[in-house]
Amino acid sequence: DTAVSQTPKYLVTQMGNDKSIKCEQNLGHDTMYWYKQDSKKFLKIMFSYNNKELIINETVPNRFSPKSPDKAHLNLHINSLELGDSAVYFCASSLQTAYQETQYFGPGTRLLVL
Amino acid sequence: KQEVTQIPAALSVPEGENLVLNCSFTDSAIYNLQWFRQDPGKGLTSLLLIQSSQREQTSGRLNASLDKSSGRSTLYIAASQPGDSATYLCAVRRAEKLVFGKGTKLTVNP
Repeated sequence: DTAVSQTPKYLVTQMGNDKSIKCEQNLGHDTMYWYKQDSKKFLKIMFSYNNKELIINETVPNRFSPKSPDKAHLNLHINSLELGDSAVYFCASSLQTAYQETQYFGPGTRLLVL
Repeated sequence: KQEVTQIPAALSVPEGENLVLNCSFTDSAIYNLQWFRQDPGKGLTSLLLIQSSQREQTSGRLNASLDKSSGRSTLYIAASQPGDSATYLCAVRRAEKLVFGKGTKLTVNP
């Protein structure tokens, strides 16, 4: 009965590969997010989707492409992985109600690019 | 551009102490402010959410205050316990975005 789930939990891959991270929420929320937490533990928003539509793209390289097949899912596909992509990626969701709602976070996906 | 700063970066206290974590933000035009807890290797857990019209929120041993005009928030933890050891993150919401501080790493020693 996990609220926001992400798979995989850990991802180790070689530079240049393409990988995907999946996120699902069962809270009935209509807005989902991807955040990146770097080695200095700084958490920064990457993307936000509301009802399957992109509403925030924070100058993230084109190698990162979010895909939202429905309101409950927001997957992150990364092409041509680079060493600097190593980080923890968090998915989150919220009710988009005048921006007053709490965001609920998934457990994170730890990506290591070798 | 909204910037969020948390002081101190790390704090170590003996069990039972009351403590205060500080958060400051540069742009007072926020919808709300949220305090999160992050445990090592885990995701974020929301602790308290203060709307921009509110001054404080309480949950158990936690009390968070908000002074929007001065761009400050504090998280007060009463009677700290070893289980409170974690990183505490402050985040302000402006429109669709949450802007986070770098966190305060708290260690409560038994």
